[in-house]
Amino acid sequence: AQRVTQPEKLLSVFKGAPVELKCNYSYSGSPELFWYVQYSRQRLQLLLRHISRESIKGFTADLNKGETSFHLKKPFAQEEDSAMYYCAHKAPHGSSNTGKLIFGQGTTLQVKP
Amino acid sequence: DAGVTQSPTHLIKTRGQHVTLRCSPISGHKSVSWYQQVLGQGPQFIFQYYEKEERGRGNFPDRFSARQFPNYSSELNVNALLLGDSALYLCASSLWDNSYEQYFGPGTRLTVT
Repeated sequence: AQRVTQPEKLLSVFKGAPVELKCNYSYSGSPELFWYVQYSRQRLQLLLRHISRESIKGFTADLNKGETSFHLKKPFAQEEDSAMYYCAHKAPHGSSNTGKLIFGQGTTLQVKP
Repeated sequence: DAGVTQSPTHLIKTRGQHVTLRCSPISGHKSVSWYQQVLGQGPQFIFQYYEKEERGRGNFPDRFSARQFPNYSSELNVNALLLGDSALYLCASSLWDNSYEQYFGPGTRLTVT
């Protein structure tokens, strides 16, 4: 079964420190992976998608098929990065649940001043 | 556009009762998905509807049902409520059934007593 694991419930860092939010997935084919973010009192929203290889708000995430990981990284954390981050895997096109997102448990990032 | 809207915001029901949650997608979006988010966990997929047809179903009992209307709005129905149904119910809309980006609503907080 497809599964997404985020091993850390809480990650607390100081402003300016590097951040790495861990995500591991279980899927034998070519995964479609995302990071979603939820800021305080806001909706869940897409942060980035592995295919686009973009850097959004300074965050990047590299797919490592060998380690089945998709860790989210930022070299210098800012206080406004404090939020809940969810790693998600999308069922592949052609599958029975093609639009289904499978989320990890989420990691709360707390950036201290 | 106000984005995805959901009603009601909060709801308190008693065990055994029935509940209907409503969702209006972003204008032009034809797909609506429903997720259940229990406190401390990531969202779990319940249903996806596209062009008024069910396109995906998660691992939820038959007490859960949904439908999509000609204007693409959607309802999620839960019968015979259990205490364990207490959760935040999220609706997400997307252009197509396989769109990579889903836009989430603010959610409906259901409490079953």
